[in-house]
Amino acid sequence: DAGVIQSPRHEVTEMGQEVTLRCKPISGHNSLFWYRQTMMRGLELLIYFNNNVPIDDSGMPEDRFSAKMPNASFSTLKIQPSEPRDSAVYFCASRRTGRANYGYTFGSGTRLTVV
Amino acid sequence: QQQVKQSPQSLIVQKGGISIINCAYENTAFDYFPWYQQFPGKGPALLIAIRPDVSEKKEGRFTISFNKSAKQFSLHIMDSQPGDSATYFCAADYNTDKLIFGTGTRLQVFP
Repeated sequence: DAGVIQSPRHEVTEMGQEVTLRCKPISGHNSLFWYRQTMMRGLELLIYFNNNVPIDDSGMPEDRFSAKMPNASFSTLKIQPSEPRDSAVYFCASRRTGRANYGYTFGSGTRLTVV
Repeated sequence: QQQVKQSPQSLIVQKGGISIINCAYENTAFDYFPWYQQFPGKGPALLIAIRPDVSEKKEGRFTISFNKSAKQFSLHIMDSQPGDSATYFCAADYNTDKLIFGTGTRLQVFP
């Protein structure tokens, strides 16, 4: 099992550019989560999907952020246009849901720097 | 009611000592309480978890103590080692997809 795979690991972009972060969840996990981590705000849930359907996007900061999950093995988080305050580490996590409350498996994250 | 309050924000412990991190919650519907460990440059990883039908769970040097009436749970790291230096997050869930995370505790264990 390769775990949750995120790409790229690091991204440096100029303000105003479009940024796309990618995530491949663990096979068989049917829930996928996008988190943002900063020193000031800790771990913030941006959006999560269950069976490829967006369930809760209340954490998405504004319309510049969008996320898709076209199939069970791939998700993207897009920021357009990017701003310096978007600089953070973005984590994707997946989980197999059920009454046993299986734990999340996190990817290694994408460190985004917007200059 | 959805919050999980975690303390302390940072903790410094000498090697061999006991590290204790505390969390409190309000929502009595929570029924799953995991702890995550995060090393620099890595994503959080599940360390240990407990359900409210037990008061304690131990895995090696790591123990969760759970107090249902006080709505509190804590992580104890016995014989703390420098390799335990990391950020620890508590979390809570109630049969939904969404974990509610605490704000994290940065633990430093000095030799």
